[in-house]
Amino acid sequence: QSVLTQPPSVSAAPGQKVTISCSGSSSNIGSNYVSWFQQLPGTAPRLLIYENNKRPSGIPDRFSGSKSGTSATLGITGLQPGDEADYYCGTWDGSRMLFGGGTTLTVL
Amino acid sequence: EVQLLESGGGLVQPGGSLRLSCAASGFTFSNYAMSWVRRAPGKGLECVSGIFGSGRTFYADSVKGRFTISRDNSKETLYLQMNSLGSEDTAVYYCAKGMGQGQFVELDYWGQGVLVTVSS
Repeated sequence: QSVLTQPPSVSAAPGQKVTISCSGSSSNIGSNYVSWFQQLPGTAPRLLIYENNKRPSGIPDRFSGSKSGTSATLGITGLQPGDEADYYCGTWDGSRMLFGGGTTLTVL
Repeated sequence: EVQLLESGGGLVQPGGSLRLSCAASGFTFSNYAMSWVRRAPGKGLECVSGIFGSGRTFYADSVKGRFTISRDNSKETLYLQMNSLGSEDTAVYYCAKGMGQGQFVELDYWGQGVLVTVSS
């Protein structure tokens, strides 16, 4: 059981929008930045969002992040089949780095 | 170009030891925090350990007392010494770079991963 709670799975049709939530507490999300990572099957994770809502160079603006209180959200618009992957939130928890349990995105 | 190349994985018996290495290039290694992240079969990502540019370290509870992270800035290499291995340590282990000296959440570059299998 992860300290950061994500839905196990989400799904949407190509072209649609999806959001993935990440719920924590005051000791982690509530007082630290949140990152989001994408892991395509058989590949290493990739940083999608850092410091709650910033995108590294090369990440399309279809991906967005937000944070409110002790929760964070990843948004993906214009879904493409290539977006099918596992998505993880991550944050600091005082003395260690934590990941959420992960969410599998299915593009129907 | 930033590159992280892990090595040292393989099959090890329960109770055994293994040392992973991560050779870094393309950036000033000593200026950045580094981490080891693993993904066990059927599970999600877990940050098992991290080391600040200064050398300060942290560990996940699941590996505390068994794993030791270290870095050799002169060789631009990150290490993970793993002792008393159990089946729960079977996973792909990734080396990852932080965006700054103390940044472990912003992991902007990752290695390709190395498989560690603990089995008799």
